Amino acid sequence: AQSVTQLGSHVSVSEGALVLLRCNYSSSVPPYLFWYVQYPNQGLQLLLKYTSAATLVKGINGFEAEFKKSETSFHLTKPSAHMSDAAEYFCAVSGGGNAGNMLTFGGGTRLMVKP
Amino acid sequence: GAVVSQHPSRVICKSGTSVKIECRSLDFQATTMFWYRQFPKQSLMLMATSNEGSKATYEQGVEKDKFLINHASLTLSTLTVTSAHPEDSSFYICSARDSRVGGYTFGSGTRLTVV
Repeated sequence: AQSVTQLGSHVSVSEGALVLLRCNYSSSVPPYLFWYVQYPNQGLQLLLKYTSAATLVKGINGFEAEFKKSETSFHLTKPSAHMSDAAEYFCAVSGGGNAGNMLTFGGGTRLMVKP
Repeated sequence: GAVVSQHPSRVICKSGTSVKIECRSLDFQATTMFWYRQFPKQSLMLMATSNEGSKATYEQGVEKDKFLINHASLTLSTLTVTSAHPEDSSFYICSARDSRVGGYTFGSGTRLTVV
């Protein structure tokens, strides 16, 4: 069984400020973890993923996330927010390398960026 | 990178009619595809797992006779919403697992409106 909790359904930051989106997971097997971004009326775009290699994962658009097993967390950060970062962000977990494993999503966090 | 094409992006249909949504993996073979439903301002809800050459596996509470899934080839899965009703109006998203990179690629989604 696996689940994802994203703390904060809405996060608002000023342009240029640090972005921190929180994600905690539970999984009965070593997890693969993902962050996706969704713009209105579009599908999901992969930002980054953790697949049991380096615990600090760098993704696209300046985002990165750190896998912390002791905290069962995979928080997403970006040093300096840009207006174009305003979107919905989803954290997701899958059960490792099993090809049939589906993704389980968190509830999503809407990031708003103020000028 | 892996690309998943989903069509149509928007469809409006009358109550009682059926609508077919296609999901194609363009540059990789996808033995497993997933269909999600997303309500406004909510997360993605897995409806079913589509397996090439076999029956789909539906999540609890999803009517398999209403949401027909066919995965006839390694690059194509279809979702048919049969006898659509206004409550079926939603955003439907497919995804495919690319075993080459261990990731999941999403289609751009289909906005279904039943009038």
